[in-house]
Amino acid sequence: AQKVTQAQTEISVVEKEDVTLDCVYETRDTTYYLFWYKQPPSGELVFLIRRNSFDEQNEISGRYSWNFQKSTSSFNFTITASQVVDSAVYFCALSEEGRGGGGADGLTFGKGTHLIIQP
Amino acid sequence: DAEITQSPRHKITETGRQVTLACHQTWNHNNMFWYRQDLGHGLRLIHYSYGVQDTNKGEVSDGYSVSRSNTEDLPLTLESAASSQTSVYFCASSESPLGLLNTEAFFGQGTRLTVV
Repeated sequence: AQKVTQAQTEISVVEKEDVTLDCVYETRDTTYYLFWYKQPPSGELVFLIRRNSFDEQNEISGRYSWNFQKSTSSFNFTITASQVVDSAVYFCALSEEGRGGGGADGLTFGKGTHLIIQP
Repeated sequence: DAEITQSPRHKITETGRQVTLACHQTWNHNNMFWYRQDLGHGLRLIHYSYGVQDTNKGEVSDGYSVSRSNTEDLPLTLESAASSQTSVYFCASSESPLGLLNTEAFFGQGTRLTVV
């Protein structure tokens, strides 16, 4: 069965510090898809990134970067020079190949990491 | 603009009552999902659908049902509400299986349900 572990329940840093959110996943499938979502205090879920298992390239988007390592089953998320607006709960999620093909059976989420950026 | 909307946004109901939460999307997406979010559990999949007349159980489907009579809507019904079903419920949709390139799931704004 698939599983996503976000061991950090809460992280608090001072603004401008760099912070890394850890995500470790378990799956028996060789093809799978990884996602990060942000949930700000307003409650909506905001898509940040998806990564396919066959694409181990790391990605950078502005102050955000993601490190995907199949060897350690990890998909970590780093925020550089954090800002107060980054304060939110961040979820890592996994989708395997589903009955309908292509990971259609929904997402398995980690429990989330509550990130607090102090001014 | 296309969107996914949930209604109501907040609801209080009594134990034992039947409750239906609405989810409507205007993207014409085939795949729709219902999740519940609880502190310490993240989001967990309740039911999902690949298209009209198709429904499937997720990880925590007991006490819930869904029906898909058209592409746009996937209502979630709590047959007999229980206090354990107090939660925030999210509906989501995706154009195609999540495995296809660039596909993502779009989420509604959530419904906060309290069962007293």
